[in-house]
Amino acid sequence: SQTIHQWPATLVQPVGSPLSLECTVEGTSNPNLYWYRQAAGRGLQLLFYSVGIGQISSEVPQNLSASRPQDRQFILSSKKLLLSDSGFYLCAWSAQGTGDATNEKLFFGSGTQLSVL
Amino acid sequence: KQEVTQIPAALSVPEGENLVLNCSFTDSAIYNLQWFRQDPGKGLTSLLLIQSSQREQTSGRLNASLDKSSGRSTLYIAASQPGDSATYLCAVEGGSYIPTFGRGTSLIVHP
Repeated sequence: SQTIHQWPATLVQPVGSPLSLECTVEGTSNPNLYWYRQAAGRGLQLLFYSVGIGQISSEVPQNLSASRPQDRQFILSSKKLLLSDSGFYLCAWSAQGTGDATNEKLFFGSGTQLSVL
Repeated sequence: KQEVTQIPAALSVPEGENLVLNCSFTDSAIYNLQWFRQDPGKGLTSLLLIQSSQREQTSGRLNASLDKSSGRSTLYIAASQPGDSATYLCAVEGGSYIPTFGRGTSLIVHP
């Protein structure tokens, strides 16, 4: 069965420090991968998505970046965090279009609560 | 650009009630629609996925319907229980692998 791992669960970082959040998926190959951010009182905001190794699309211009060094690994990074980067970060995956409703569901990790102080 | 709206934003009901959560979207050219549940401080769990060619999906006490032409979906929860308390989100995908989410309905079921 497929599983998604996301860490750390919580993170407190000072303004201006770097960030690296990692997400890995097991039990599937060539997944679509996503990074979302959920800020208090706001909806789920798509930050980056990837349909293959080295293919990253950015939805929102900001000081964050993403990389996909391996098929099932997705990393969210920042060189210098801002206060506005605080929020709940969620990694997710889905299968490539298969026509099978079950396989096309979006599966989420457990999230990382980031506080920038 | 697809916009997804969920009504109501919050709902508090006594245990045992049947309830309906609403989701509307502006662009009817969708590939699928999903309903999710999110507990506080947790990730999202997919409840039901309806493909654009389908009209409804059922899982236990949950039933989701889709009316693509009118841009609406409803999530029906039968015989609600305190354990159903959570935020329910719907997401619409237009075929580009990029789901658009609503802001969710926060549900409290009190004993």
